[in-house]
Amino acid sequence: EAGVVQSPRYKIIEKKQPVAFWCNPISGHNTLYWYRQNLGQGPELLIRYENEEAVDDSQLPKDRFSAERLKGVDSTLKIQPAELGDSAVYLCASSLYDYPYEQYFGPGTRLTVT
Amino acid sequence: ELKVEQNPLFLSMQEGKNYTIYCNYSTTSDRLYWYRQDPGKSLESLFVLLSNGAVKQEGRLMASLDTKARLSTLHITAAVHDLSATYFCAVDIKGAGNMLTFGGGTRLMVKP
Repeated sequence: EAGVVQSPRYKIIEKKQPVAFWCNPISGHNTLYWYRQNLGQGPELLIRYENEEAVDDSQLPKDRFSAERLKGVDSTLKIQPAELGDSAVYLCASSLYDYPYEQYFGPGTRLTVT
Repeated sequence: ELKVEQNPLFLSMQEGKNYTIYCNYSTTSDRLYWYRQDPGKSLESLFVLLSNGAVKQEGRLMASLDTKARLSTLHITAAVHDLSATYFCAVDIKGAGNMLTFGGGTRLMVKP
């Protein structure tokens, strides 16, 4: 069974530029999560989708971050414009909407903003 | 606000030794997860603990959960170099609908 797929794996951009990350969850998983992991820290949830609906985006900096999951499968996370402090690893995870809701993580996208 | 604290943050140990990593959390939860992360890699699920007194073991790792004390432990038995990684616990707020809060991680280095 294929795992969570993310691309690109690495991205280097200059500040004020836009950037987008893509995630394809495990087949059949209707819940999708985006996390940000700063160096030396645990992941922090940015947004959670149940199918197409964003059910929790309270931690998403809405002034510059946006996300979408149009058909309830793939998802895109966008930053515009990027700031130096956005440098981090962006992780996508997916789970079934069923107890115990175990989340499976993708390899992540390492973003460096210069 | 849920807070999850792990200790120690860094652990250097010799092969063959035993040690325990602790995960404390600040509010009621009914699910606790342990993950492993190798450098530059993503998170690998190790254990899912679903009830008070739950104990799970895989190889040299054993995890337990005490929901009354709001404490989980990850015990390492006879450590080997391959266990070197960062270990995270993550807690789901009860009734919040599957929102994980992660601890800061414990970086484990096992020396030959």
